[in-house]
Amino acid sequence: DIVMTQTPLSSPVTLGQPASISCRSSQSLVHSDGNTHLSWLHQRPGQPPRLLIYKISNRFSGVPDRFSGSGAGTDFTLKISTVEAEDVGVYYCMQATQFPYTFGQGTKLEIK
Amino acid sequence: QVQLVQSGAEVKKPGASVKVSCKASGYTFTSDYVHWVRQAPGQGFEWMGLINPSGTSANYAQKFQGRVTLNRDTSTSTVYMELSSLRSEDTALYYCAPESPGRGYLGYWGQGTLVTVSS
Repeated sequence: DIVMTQTPLSSPVTLGQPASISCRSSQSLVHSDGNTHLSWLHQRPGQPPRLLIYKISNRFSGVPDRFSGSGAGTDFTLKISTVEAEDVGVYYCMQATQFPYTFGQGTKLEIK
Repeated sequence: QVQLVQSGAEVKKPGASVKVSCKASGYTFTSDYVHWVRQAPGQGFEWMGLINPSGTSANYAQKFQGRVTLNRDTSTSTVYMELSSLRSEDTALYYCAPESPGRGYLGYWGQGTLVTVSS
């Protein structure tokens, strides 16, 4: 199975400041179709996860442009340009290149 | 608006089975694969398996082989996940999430069904 490792596991940030989360996979996420199926999800307490970014850097429908994704191969980053109060919660990276799909452990974003 | 409505919370005894349903509203996911993912209390996500659009084939995570069965009723746009030989470690929120073929991401998730296994 592909192991997804996120850092940091906790990230206290100040409102209006940027935030960054890293995700590393144990093997390349480049699929045989040429795409890299790495996505980012956000989960608030008591809610199902919500897709933010797919295929490394594509924002899903309705996702604000303060969220951006980058990376290649085995190293990926999610950036929030200016953190807002509604951004608190846990962020997960997920790979869908190979079965079983696997997730990072999660990064808890909280406001200082 | 895409909505995935799952069946309600369940409480089961160890050794029993549970069947959770997932119904699409606002669209028909007849062309989509449907995944099941679970999340134990306070924990991360664990992929369990998926079923193909026609319901003729399923792929299960090795950990759940022999204990999980996925089915779908295409006439009602409903997918079912059955987990047998329940143990306390199966206490979790169970989510369904469709995926259009080749997309490589899970854009929509059900609201989750809490399954509690307790004697």
